Amino acid sequence: TQLLEQSPQFLSIQEGENLTVYCNSSSVFSSLQWYRQEPGEGPVLLVTVVTGGEVKKLKRLTFQFGDARKDSSLHITAAQPGDTGLYLCAGDTNAGKSTFGDGTTLTVKP
Amino acid sequence: GAVVSQHPSRVICKSGTSVKIECRSLDFQATTMFWYRQFPKKSLMLMATSNEGSKATYEQGVEKDKFLINHASLTLSTLTVTSAHPEDSSFYICSAAGVRGINEQYFGPGTRLTVT
Repeated sequence: TQLLEQSPQFLSIQEGENLTVYCNSSSVFSSLQWYRQEPGEGPVLLVTVVTGGEVKKLKRLTFQFGDARKDSSLHITAAQPGDTGLYLCAGDTNAGKSTFGDGTTLTVKP
Repeated sequence: GAVVSQHPSRVICKSGTSVKIECRSLDFQATTMFWYRQFPKKSLMLMATSNEGSKATYEQGVEKDKFLINHASLTLSTLTVTSAHPEDSSFYICSAAGVRGINEQYFGPGTRLTVT
């Protein structure tokens, strides 16, 4: 079974602070996705990383795929209350489905 | 682009009845659709994978006779919860893949099922 562990599980910070969320596995993934989910809604795709060492930026969000394609990180600069949500990473298992991490619940206080 | 809808968004039903949830990809053809269940403040639990025109593949522990999945077209999949019980109350989310490959999933807004 390919498992994805996310850390931290919960994170509460003040507006303006920076944070990093981690997604780790012992398995190699051909690609990895990050999603954000708000309460009562479905997850929204933020980014897909494919190449080991790849870095992608989406405004204040920076995503990195580990060189060995086993881990990934999401860094948010100057967090805002609108960044509040459940952040999920998902790895492609090559079995026609994705493995999801347990998620990081982020709360950004104004 | 890549919009997925779910209907209904909320449903309350009595124990013993069946409920059908629809998942539609509005602007693309979805070769594969996934059905998930999510408990409060938890991650997504994959229930089954469905491909258009073929039988769904269920995850271990998911009863295929209780959670009937039909993927009749490239834009529509349905999940029917049969003989619902209070423990089936949950947030059910579908996703569709096929825009840029199976890796990227586009999720519906979810359906909150409450069984009384």
